[in-house]
This record gives sequence, structure tokens and C-alpha cells, in this order.
Amino acid sequence: QKEVEQNSGPLSVPEGAIASLNCTYSDRVSQSFFWYRQYSGKSPELIMSIYSNGDKEDGRFTAQLNKASQYVSLLIRDSQPSDSATYLCAVPTSGTYKYIFGTGTRLKVLA
Amino acid sequence: NAGVTQTPKFQVLKTGQSMTLQCAQDMNHNSMYWYRQDPGMGLRLIYYSASEGTTDKGEVPNGYNVSRLNKREFSLRLESAAPSQTSVYFCASSPPALGPGANVLTFGAGSRLTVL
Repeated sequence: QKEVEQNSGPLSVPEGAIASLNCTYSDRVSQSFFWYRQYSGKSPELIMSIYSNGDKEDGRFTAQLNKASQYVSLLIRDSQPSDSATYLCAVPTSGTYKYIFGTGTRLKVLA
Repeated sequence: NAGVTQTPKFQVLKTGQSMTLQCAQDMNHNSMYWYRQDPGMGLRLIYYSASEGTTDKGEVPNGYNVSRLNKREFSLRLESAAPSQTSVYFCASSPPALGPGANVLTFGAGSRLTVL
């Protein structure tokens, strides 16, 4: 059973809107959470990391973590067509170096 | 600074052939990983190496072997390729769990393997 779940999408939003991407995880003791962006045919690249409950903002991106609900989300404000990509949620299994990735959510920002 | 370099970028094999995917990083990272990515399946961990001299199985290790040759290099070998191993393979590395950039993965460009 997959330990990190994401809606595969595609999630379509108009340019300028807020895109909300969600991820749930099963390991209750996980301490760190990552969002990677992957353009078609390219390798994943880090967008955000979050370690504590609450919000973490970086430019147009906000990561939100709720450990009690085992839920992490990524908000993209003022979405641009260049944000169109697949967004991968990654959770290292606690006590190991094993990163478990969700299947990713494909985001399409419509101009 | 090249980051993570994988070779080859593309390879076509026949069933039963063997090959090795090479990976090298120049960031002095301790940990290295091999993932495969298939449509609808996301990234799945094949093997990882927490540090030089150690390797461990991930989610889908069957049919693969790895070698952590030194701190920089981590190779993935297919001894007898099967069509089910057709995939895009990514090598990644990460710094130690403490300190700047802790646990952040840096990926190579990927290797697209087709097994006929």
C-alpha cells in the first residue's frame, strides 16, 4: 500500500488563480516533508520543504503541514503557465534514508 | 559544478542482456539513491546507499544490483533485463540528515531504458 497519496489530476486552474495541491501520508512519526516539481521529460527539483506544523512561505509558494491529520499541501499563488508541471510530495520514512514519493499531481495553468 | 551525472541517457536492450547505469555526484553528499519512474506509478525507490560502503533495498529491488564504488559513484546493474524494467531511471543524492540542505534530494537528468 502506497504510503504517500496524491490526487493524480490533472488540476486545471486559470492564470492568476491559486492552485492547491494536497498530499496525505501514513507514517505518523515522519518529521520532514518535501515538494518537488517535475516538468515533462525532466528530473524533479525541490520547491519547498517543511518540518513544523503550520505554514511556510517562499515567494508565490506556501507549504502547509498538519501532522495530526497527516496532511501536507502546497499552494501556488498567482499561478503562471510556467507552473504547469507535475508536483511530487516526498516523505522520508522516519529513521531511514528511504524517501517515499506520491504519484504526483499534474497541474495545468491555463493562459 | 555538474551535480549528479548519469550515463547513459538512453539505452535499448534485448531481453536477457545486462547493463550498468552509472551515477556520479560531485557535491560531497553521503547518501545516494536509484529510483525508477513509470507512468501512473510515481518515483519508486530501487536501492539506496546511506553512506559509502553501505547499500539497502528500497521498494522494488528485484532484478537489480547496486555498487557504491566510492563516495562519488553509485551504479545500478541489470543482470538479465526484462521488458518490465522498461522505465526512466533517476539517480539522486542528498547531504547528511543534519545541516544545510538536510535530506534534500538532487536528481540526475535521468536514463531512459527500453527492454525489447
